[in-house]
Amino acid sequence: EVQLVESGGGLVQPGGSLRLSCAASGFNFSTYWMAWVRQAPGKGLEWVAKIHLDGSDKYYADSVKGRFTISRDNAKNSLNLQMDNLRAEDTAVYYCARDHPSGWSLGCWGQGTLVTVSS
Amino acid sequence: EGVLTQSPGTLSLSPGERATLSCRASQSVSTYLAWYQQKPGQPPRLLIYGASSRATGIPDRFSGSGSGTDFTLTISRLEPEDFAVYYCQQYGSEFGPGTRVDVK
Repeated sequence: EVQLVESGGGLVQPGGSLRLSCAASGFNFSTYWMAWVRQAPGKGLEWVAKIHLDGSDKYYADSVKGRFTISRDNAKNSLNLQMDNLRAEDTAVYYCARDHPSGWSLGCWGQGTLVTVSS
Repeated sequence: EGVLTQSPGTLSLSPGERATLSCRASQSVSTYLAWYQQKPGQPPRLLIYGASSRATGIPDRFSGSGSGTDFTLTISRLEPEDFAVYYCQQYGSEFGPGTRVDVK
């Protein structure tokens, strides 16, 4: 069974940093693009970043470019999101998601981890 | 990449009725368009990929159509569990704002 389990969320002050992790199991992690998607309270989905199979290509939403860094460790079946210079508007549930085998869509999702940016 | 718009914002229907949701892209996305369903407190679930292919386990009352800039998600007969928010997504990246399907 495919499982994605996020961790690392919590309360952080504006300007602070947080590192999210996603533990993947039940599939060959190194053969899939992976992504982070977030959802602010009561709002819609916002794509954050995605990373190539081997980590060689990374893409970011304009809203997080220069502040967030996506990475992966295929040996540990782990996806990460380093979030720096956090702002109140980054407050959201952050979901880890796996690409669909046919590509260009997200076929499996974790349950999410809540990040709250507040003083 | 362009922007996705979805209409209507809210669709109020009764169980058994047909739902037609629209997603429009500001520039052509060919068929790199996906649809998701999200219920409160749950992560999204992939319904349709490649504009018209149903994901594994998705009932055949859900269908997707379109290419280029105009796309449609149709639910042929609404079941009680279908009342939710639906999002379209282009290129596995940007999402539309969503359409809420609620009970009339």
